[in-house]
Amino acid sequence: DAKTTQPPSMDCAEGRAANLPCNHSTISGNEYVYWYRQIHSQGPQYIIHGLKNNETNEMASLIITEDRKSSTLILPHATLRDTAVYYCIVRVASRGNEKLTFGTGTRLTIIP
Amino acid sequence: GAGVSQSPSNKVTEKGKDVELRCDPISGHTALYWYRQSLGQGLEFLIYFQGNSAPDKSGLPSDRFSAERTGGSVSTLTIQRTQQEDSAVYLCASSPGTLGYGYTFGSGTRLTVV
Repeated sequence: DAKTTQPPSMDCAEGRAANLPCNHSTISGNEYVYWYRQIHSQGPQYIIHGLKNNETNEMASLIITEDRKSSTLILPHATLRDTAVYYCIVRVASRGNEKLTFGTGTRLTIIP
Repeated sequence: GAGVSQSPSNKVTEKGKDVELRCDPISGHTALYWYRQSLGQGLEFLIYFQGNSAPDKSGLPSDRFSAERTGGSVSTLTIQRTQQEDSAVYLCASSPGTLGYGYTFGSGTRLTVV
């Protein structure tokens, strides 16, 4: 699976949009981009995933560049409960190769 | 059930003892995964099940670790002759096993070897 690069930490003011970047310059055409987050002492929580089109759900938006070499997770109105470690993962979703490889992620701190 | 259930939530054991950790995945999820997370560290993949078979057990750190899954549902992770370096949170996740779906994680079992 392609390697990802994320900043180790970011701060964002409460109520503002949090934009978390991820570089995945070696991504292959059949690899998806997944985002998870882990709030302290809990299991990781799935946020969103995409292949090439931008995606939006009730939690976040995912913007993938046209060349697919980078993406941005957007939390539109950050709250204190969004403080967590955010993981960007790319992987092939095919039978026999289903594991997600977690990197070190971005520690996002929402500031009151 | 509604989510992935793991038991026990906490386990303290003496060095050298065997432990069993249990995972109940979401009903109907064919894929099941075990990860572990040491204090302050990232998630380390251990093993993946598709149904009852384990096509990828590459992450098991030693032959003291084993896992099985029965009936395409419950999975048990067994650690024999526990060592202090086995202390970690052991996380289980399940997914429908089809293209593009994410995992749902349980809350984990915190194992402490003393």
